[in-house]
Amino acid sequence: DADVTQTPRNRITKTGKRIMLECSQTKGHDRMYWYRQDPGLGLRLIYYSFDVKDINKGEISDGYSVSRQAQAKFSLSLESAIPNQTALYFCATSDSYRSLGGTHTGELFFGEGSRLTVL
Amino acid sequence: AQSVTQLDSQVPVFEEAPVELRCNYSSSVSVYLFWYVQYPNQGLQLLLKYLSGSTLVKGINGFEAEFNKSQTSFHLRKPSVHISDTAEYFCAVSEPGGSYIPTFGRGTSLIVHP
Repeated sequence: DADVTQTPRNRITKTGKRIMLECSQTKGHDRMYWYRQDPGLGLRLIYYSFDVKDINKGEISDGYSVSRQAQAKFSLSLESAIPNQTALYFCATSDSYRSLGGTHTGELFFGEGSRLTVL
Repeated sequence: AQSVTQLDSQVPVFEEAPVELRCNYSSSVSVYLFWYVQYPNQGLQLLLKYLSGSTLVKGINGFEAEFNKSQTSFHLRKPSVHISDTAEYFCAVSEPGGSYIPTFGRGTSLIVHP
């Protein structure tokens, strides 16, 4: 089983509908992220969470919300989906490096992605 | 603020030829650098990373990258590519001492022809 699991893997919905993308991880990492991938634009950060009580907006958070239900679960919601939110969404996790004195590095572990189409 | 530029959006190459995918970054401080690969219909996986030490970093699948601080570059190379190397490649940078949240480049599509 994958260490970082995203559901659903594919979803087609209509404009105005509420959509939730879920992410769960078995890596025991504190930090979790949601990214959006669009062709030619790379990955852009939507939201990130350093622990259950610490949630922060990324560079493109408008139109999205998140919930960190537990250390292992981080869900992304689109309250009212619009066509330009059609994209591939990735959840990722990160952890600290004991060999670097417990600091982070920014190395991410990704899920398989959730492809969302908004008609 | 950190940023990453991947100079080529697409790199076509024939099988068994060498390849270099270019990555330049801008940062006012020291950096950690990463290359990720995304095979079709899959998530991203780490190819290699530079945290400190030797500037030549070896990764999986025969790839390597060289950190050049003076040119703020971290180019990815492979001496002989295979069809199976066809994928999207992303360069990323994070800054030690900050949030460590990485910034990604726009990606380079490597297309290996038989």
